[in-house]
Amino acid sequence: QSALTQPPSASGSPGQSVTISCTGTSSDVGGYNYVSWYQQHPGKAPKLMIYEVNKRSSGVPDRFSGSKSGNTASLTVSGLRAEDEADYYCSSYAGSNNVVFGGGTKLTVL
Amino acid sequence: QLQLQESGPGLVKPSETLSLTCTVSGGSISSSSYYWGWIRQPPGKGLEWIGSIYYSGNTYYNPSLKSRVTISVHTSKNQFSLELSSVTAADTAVYYCARLSIWGIVDYWGQGTLVTVSS
Repeated sequence: QSALTQPPSASGSPGQSVTISCTGTSSDVGGYNYVSWYQQHPGKAPKLMIYEVNKRSSGVPDRFSGSKSGNTASLTVSGLRAEDEADYYCSSYAGSNNVVFGGGTKLTVL
Repeated sequence: QLQLQESGPGLVKPSETLSLTCTVSGGSISSSSYYWGWIRQPPGKGLEWIGSIYYSGNTYYNPSLKSRVTISVHTSKNQFSLELSSVTAADTAVYYCARLSIWGIVDYWGQGTLVTVSS
């Protein structure tokens, strides 16, 4: 299984919206509605933000939303805030109890 | 509140076996709803799923690591463990233990432990 493809970086100004893509194949992203998104601040463990494509984890602001079309999933962060600056990783169920992660996207709040 | 804590050597020599243990507190590792797994992150790089185990002992491994990985569960101690054999410098990473749903959603993470492979 190959890693999911994410852009290395994304950026936006406070208050703006930014979308991060996550591209896989029909064997992972396209084949299952089990895409998750994780936020990771430097030196910290990842935190679950979105699961099952578009469900927010407990306590996650509604500024974070997820979607999927075909083999590509997306995370949108609206109303950007300074604390949103972090690395974001997507993951997908890949069948037979396998999990695959994306390479990560560094989100910069300008 | 569920907590996971990794423990084990922070330095392993090349060609030797990396061994880590994850202790689960605030919940039972024998829960039928979850798997328990290991995920690693090389310095400055992305996350890589290593493998998962069910409390019954059923294991599932990343195909790229399968030949070198063994994950075991120790229900009486509420622990599970990772062994990675024949390590090289490429195995240097922060290793996280985690709880996963049946569909691979990671909802609880340990704090992570850095393992360096060096002579």
